Amino acid sequence: QKEVEQDPGPLSVPEGAIVSLNCTYSNSAFQYFMWYRQYSRKGPELLMYTYSSGNKEDGRFTAQVDKSSKYISLFIRDSQPSDSATYLCAMSVAAGGTSYGKLTFGQGTILTVHP
Amino acid sequence: DADVTQTPRNRITKTGKRIMLECSQTKGHDRMYWYRQDPGLGLRLIYYSFDVKDINKGEISDGYSVSRQAQAKFSLSLESAIPNQTALYFCATSVPGQGTQETQYFGPGTRLLVL
Repeated sequence: QKEVEQDPGPLSVPEGAIVSLNCTYSNSAFQYFMWYRQYSRKGPELLMYTYSSGNKEDGRFTAQVDKSSKYISLFIRDSQPSDSATYLCAMSVAAGGTSYGKLTFGQGTILTVHP
Repeated sequence: DADVTQTPRNRITKTGKRIMLECSQTKGHDRMYWYRQDPGLGLRLIYYSFDVKDINKGEISDGYSVSRQAQAKFSLSLESAIPNQTALYFCATSVPGQGTQETQYFGPGTRLLVL
């Protein structure tokens, strides 16, 4: 069983829809949780990160972490065609309150938002 | 100019050939990583280096070797390429976070086909 599981989709939604992307994990040592976005033929770029359980908002994006259930989510409100990309969850352990650097990625979810 | 560059961007080679993928960065980061990306499997860590004298195996290092020639350069070699090494390869860099997560910055990727 992989340490991080992510539904690869693909996911296709109409413009304006609310999108929910999810990952589950099995390693209780994970403390930092990130979402990377990868456009076609590009490298991944950090979209959001969270450290503790709860929600974090950034514009149309909300990252949610539930450590008790080992479950993280990314919500996209009012989705736009420009949001079409692959979304990868990533996690790392902490050492002395600092991220340890090594990331474990989910499989990635391919999202298409059509006009 | 891009902060993290990879050469070549595309490469076709034959089974048994030795090839090298190169990564250079101008971000001044000490930490560098090599990943491969396969459909449905996400990003998997091959090797990582936290400074010039530090090299560590990742999740899938068999069949690969690396060289950290300088802080800015990290090369990945396939000593004897085989078809199941056909994948998209990414280099990434990071700097340790201080009480926060550590963002990894990815290059544009090298698409490798082994015939």
